[in-house]
Amino acid sequence: AQTVTQSQPEMSVQEAETVTLSCTYDTSESDYYLFWYKQPPSRQMILVIRQEAYKQQNATENRFSVNFQKAAKSFSLKISDSQLGDAAMYFCAYRSARGNFNKFYFGSGTKLNVKP
Amino acid sequence: NAGVTQTPKFQVLKTGQSMTLQCAQDMNHEYMSWYRQDPGMGLRLIHYSVGAGITDQGEVPNGYNVSRSTTEDFPLRLLSAAPSQTSVYFCASYRNSGNTIYFGEGSWLTVV
Repeated sequence: AQTVTQSQPEMSVQEAETVTLSCTYDTSESDYYLFWYKQPPSRQMILVIRQEAYKQQNATENRFSVNFQKAAKSFSLKISDSQLGDAAMYFCAYRSARGNFNKFYFGSGTKLNVKP
Repeated sequence: NAGVTQTPKFQVLKTGQSMTLQCAQDMNHEYMSWYRQDPGMGLRLIHYSVGAGITDQGEVPNGYNVSRSTTEDFPLRLLSAAPSQTSVYFCASYRNSGNTIYFGEGSWLTVV
């Protein structure tokens, strides 16, 4: 089974600064999707950004961008101009793009604190 | 747009009691899953379904049963609740060909 590792249980950033959350994954597949989900205190899971493995260009969504290193199996999330509303748990996730029974695999999460 | 709806949102059970967490989606998704979330352990897959009448076990299936009689509904049954099942439970759905998973708002379960 695929594994997703988030090695930073908790991180802090000053408001308006930039922070990078790390994620590595283990897979033998070549075609897959990677995601970052945000979980605020309300506990609802919100999709932040996704990356298709076949795309070399890193995905960007406003202040959120990823650094996708396929050979290194690394998928980090960069949050620019951090805002108080960015404080949440962030989960990295993986899903195969092939086959019929494609489950999502999640990391253990990184808690992001944003200091005013 | 209802999306994925879970009930109840909060529940307290006594050890040994049984209960069912309900999950319904209105997006006609083939795949539905149940996860539990515990501190430091992220989201762990309990059971999943790839269509009506088809279910399979995830990482932590013991103590839970599921069924999928319709595309829309995927209830999770706790057969005999134990304190170790105290957790937050999430139902999710997605398309076979899609690449985004949709979550319900979560169900907080405490077993005393």
